[in-house]
Amino acid sequence: DAKTTQPTSMDCAEGRAANLPCNHSTISGNEYVYWYRQIHSQGPQYIIHGLKNNETNEMASLIITEDRKSSTLILPHATLRDTAVYYCIVRGRSNDYKLSFGAGTTVTVRA
Amino acid sequence: KAGVTQTPRYLIKTRGQQVTLSCSPISGHRSVSWYQQTPGQGLQFLFEYFSETQRNKGNFPGRFSGRQFSNSRSEMNVSTLELGDSALYLCASSPYHRGGVAGANVLTFGAGSRLTVL
Repeated sequence: DAKTTQPTSMDCAEGRAANLPCNHSTISGNEYVYWYRQIHSQGPQYIIHGLKNNETNEMASLIITEDRKSSTLILPHATLRDTAVYYCIVRGRSNDYKLSFGAGTTVTVRA
Repeated sequence: KAGVTQTPRYLIKTRGQQVTLSCSPISGHRSVSWYQQTPGQGLQFLFEYFSETQRNKGNFPGRFSGRQFSNSRSEMNVSTLELGDSALYLCASSPYHRGGVAGANVLTFGAGSRLTVL
């Protein structure tokens, strides 16, 4: 699976959009980009995933660049409950199927 | 539908003991994977089971083992516990073994079992 690079931390004002970047320059053609988040001491929670096209659901939007080497998770109206560690993961078909999580981005939403 | 259930949620053991953790996946999910999370190492992959077979294994010593039953429920066992085994152990289930074969393969995580080794 391709490795990902994310900023260590970022702050966001409540009510504003939070844009979380992720670099996955070694992604291959059949690998999906997934985003999860983990609120303190809880299990990771699935947010959204995409392959090539931009995606939107009730939680967030995912923007994937045309070359697929990077993506951005957008939380449109951040709330205090969105404070969490956000993980960007690339995962796909592989004989060596080991899912790996990087350090993620610690997002702090401030009132 | 019910989520991924992990038991016990909290447990305390002493060095040298062994522990068994249980995971009940979402109904219909056949893949179960296990992860260890510590403040220093982050989230690390332990192993994955599909159709009662271990399909992949992370870089952990043989003291860490697991199994999956015919109903897809899974257990992991850690023998001869060490202080460094203190961690949050997370289980995740998914419908498929490999992402990409049948489309995306979303993992659903349980709340975890927090193990403290004294």
